[in-house]
Amino acid sequence: QSALTQPASVSGSPGQSITISCTGTSSDVGGYDYVSWYQQHPGKAPKLMIYDVSKRPSGVSNRFSGSKSGNTASLTISGLQAEDEADYYCSSYTSGSTWVFGGGTKLTVL
Amino acid sequence: EVQLVESGGGLVQPGRSLRLSCAASGFTFDDHAMHWVRQAPGKGLEWVSGISWNSGRIGYADSVKGRFTISRDNAKNSLDLQMSSLRAEDTALYYCAKDARYSYGFFDDWGQGTLVTVSS
Repeated sequence: QSALTQPASVSGSPGQSITISCTGTSSDVGGYDYVSWYQQHPGKAPKLMIYDVSKRPSGVSNRFSGSKSGNTASLTISGLQAEDEADYYCSSYTSGSTWVFGGGTKLTVL
Repeated sequence: EVQLVESGGGLVQPGRSLRLSCAASGFTFDDHAMHWVRQAPGKGLEWVSGISWNSGRIGYADSVKGRFTISRDNAKNSLDLQMSSLRAEDTALYYCAKDARYSYGFFDDWGQGTLVTVSS
């Protein structure tokens, strides 16, 4: 149950787009379309942003999108806004009938 | 409105036990799997355990297998986590999370967490 690999940090200016990668194996990310993404502001509980690789819950801005290629999933945020500054975590179901998270990525809006 | 309220956290000595509870409301509890996810201070999220709607499917992270037991009471809309043989590395904020589906899925609602500190 090794954690999925995410970059420790990414940054972008308001209005720009950024992409956060999430790399796993064929036993998790590559084997299932059960990849989800969570946003966490300091001191707050995580919030679901993307599920089933690319689906967006109601109420989440369409500036957030998800995709997957092989063993790597990606979260793209377009039109960056100051309120997007947060930690982002990916998660995947695994062949061991468990779930695994990525190490988290700190997004800084410059 | 979905509400998940965790309780039972606190300071406990290494090797001792603790039982966490999660009171759920605002949704049909027995239509959903439930999970515990923890976050050590300043660290990332770690899935701990999950249980399907009817308790037929239960899973644990390797780090807690054999020490933690998850259970649910659909009549009381509650989720529990019995933690034994606690270690310093179990120190974390423990979140109760609702799964969007009855068995497999994703975590669509979260509680505010209950803090567990394992220290002598």
